[in-house]
Amino acid sequence: DVKVTQSSRYLVKRTGEKVFLECVQDMDHENMFWYRQDPGLGLRLIYFSYDVKMKEKGDIPEGYSVSREKKERFSLILESASTNQTSMYLCASSLSGGGPSTDTQYFGPGTRLTVL
Amino acid sequence: EDQVTQSPEALRLQEGESSSLNCSYTVSGLRGLFWYRQDPGKGPEFLFTLYSAGEEKEKERLKATLTKKESFLHITAPKPEDSATYLCAVQDYGQNFVFGPGTRLSVLP
Repeated sequence: DVKVTQSSRYLVKRTGEKVFLECVQDMDHENMFWYRQDPGLGLRLIYFSYDVKMKEKGDIPEGYSVSREKKERFSLILESASTNQTSMYLCASSLSGGGPSTDTQYFGPGTRLTVL
Repeated sequence: EDQVTQSPEALRLQEGESSSLNCSYTVSGLRGLFWYRQDPGKGPEFLFTLYSAGEEKEKERLKATLTKKESFLHITAPKPEDSATYLCAVQDYGQNFVFGPGTRLSVLP
């Protein structure tokens, strides 16, 4: 069964803190994604990775960075958290870009981050 | 630029009252259309992938269909446990993945 886990369900941080959100998948998927979800704005892609040590910017990368040192793990880093980064953060993974049947993204449970 | 819209924004049904949710899209070349269910405070759960116009997929009370411009998620005789937000997403041949805003479904007992 598909399994994507995220390190925390809820997180409260102060403005200016460095924040790490971690995502792990156990399906040997090539691709991993980070989204944020806000009311009225839907899901927006922050960063994605097609391979270990590779990363690509999504639609809203500003204020974020990522790290993928191992295939199964994809971390999202907020270098200096700000209140406008309060959101639900969702990690997803997909098998590969080799064909449409492998493109389905499977999501983790999400991390609700509040920045005070 | 790929775009996805969903309607209605919110839908309230009585238990057993069948209905359909709409996902309209514009995409340079459709690689796949995906339906997800999302419960409050949780991550989206994958339901279906559709690849070409005319294709249909079913799962329990849900059936997804696809045309060249839109997809429908038909819900037959819904139950309260079908209450959730239903998200539609499209992927183009450039591997871009775009989500719609979702339809919030409430099924009343």
